[in-house]
Amino acid sequence: GAVVSQHPSRVICKSGTSVKIECRSLDFQATTMFWYRQFPKQSLMLMATSNEGSKATYEQGVEKDKFLINHASLTLSTLTVTSAHPEDSSFYICSASGQGKAEAFFGQGTRLTVV
Amino acid sequence: GENVEQHPSTLSVQEGDSAVIKCTYSDSASNYFPWYKQELGKRPQLIIDIRSNVGEKKDQRIAVTLNKTAKHFSLHITETQPEDSAVYFCAATMGGGGNKLTFGTGTQLKVEL
Repeated sequence: GAVVSQHPSRVICKSGTSVKIECRSLDFQATTMFWYRQFPKQSLMLMATSNEGSKATYEQGVEKDKFLINHASLTLSTLTVTSAHPEDSSFYICSASGQGKAEAFFGQGTRLTVV
Repeated sequence: GENVEQHPSTLSVQEGDSAVIKCTYSDSASNYFPWYKQELGKRPQLIIDIRSNVGEKKDQRIAVTLNKTAKHFSLHITETQPEDSAVYFCAATMGGGGNKLTFGTGTQLKVEL
């Protein structure tokens, strides 16, 4: 299967600071990338859909000014958690799909802890 | 939008037994149904998928069945092994790339020795 690399895998930051998470498709062009948040023992909750070269589409209840998504190239999307607070602590995972492909491949996830 | 329900939430089986996880979906336009296995703290990994033009697909000990009329699909794991212990998620989408997956709530499978 295709390879999606996400980093950092773990990050601890102070409340009020911003954190950037990168998601890269290593061996295919990802026309669409998705960002999820997963709380312990829960399912993956879609935060936003990102298409290369256009603005991300956010799911209801997700603050677009807090979770900034950039998809500037066909192999890279970034999620920036701005002014992070302890309640933002979670497991963030990206996935990527190729042009016309239904299959989605996941990055290894980022464990964010805000202290 | 699409809504996917998954049952059971937890499943405990003896090693060597079979495990079955069931999902239902609401949107008849959905045509791609993947299953993911997620170990604690790791990424979901695609283990098998099925498209709406087939009713069953098998890959070694894993099989998936799809009933489009009833809008439900199931994962079957035979001859379970301890390493099958994980959380399994079903999902549904209209496919075609760029279409978001809607995930079920997950099933914690525990294979006991």
